[in-house]
Amino acid sequence: QIQLVQSGPELKKPGESVKISCKASGYTFTDYAMHWVKQAPGKGLKWMGWINTYTGKPTYADDFKGRFVFSLEASASTANLQISNLKNEDTATYFCARSYRYNHPFAYWGQGTLVTVSS
Amino acid sequence: DIQMTQSPASLSASLEEIVTITCQASQDIGNYLSWYQQKLGKSPQLLIHSATSLADGVPSRFSGSRSGTQYSLKINRLQVEDTGIYYCLQHYSAPFTFGSGTKLEIK
Repeated sequence: QIQLVQSGPELKKPGESVKISCKASGYTFTDYAMHWVKQAPGKGLKWMGWINTYTGKPTYADDFKGRFVFSLEASASTANLQISNLKNEDTATYFCARSYRYNHPFAYWGQGTLVTVSS
Repeated sequence: DIQMTQSPASLSASLEEIVTITCQASQDIGNYLSWYQQKLGKSPQLLIHSATSLADGVPSRFSGSRSGTQYSLKINRLQVEDTGIYYCLQHYSAPFTFGSGTKLEIK
């Protein structure tokens, strides 16, 4: 069955970096787009951008340009989100989500990874 | 950016009642609108895609409709397990944007 399994929770200090992974199984990884979605504690969902799993090209929403990097380990069917120079406002749960084409609905989601940034 | 104005922000309804949640898009998004249910501590789950199509495995008491740039999610015969937060998402044009969410509680 189709699964997106994300890495575990992270506790980081301001200024540090974090890398979250999203391992896909049950389908051909490069046939589907992968999106990243942020949810701050008690808040709604915010689309961060997506990565073309066939070409590796990332697209970022404006609020996520600069410190955020989407990458792939295609041989391992894994998408990664790296956040550098962490700030308190990066504290959130981050979800990966799969769509057939980049502008299709998000039919499958990872379980989410909580990143806590605190000194 | 396309704005998605979702209402109401919260809703309390009784079992077996009918509830409707709406999202108003700030411009034409065609049928590039989907609805998600998020239960506490869980990831969102797709309910409706293409504005009106039921996702696989979703109970038929859920339905979606469109009138111009207004989109609605209707839940017939409300059940206890329908508690959660509901979001719309426009995926017509990047940046994709979610509605602000509707918290649904059962009285």
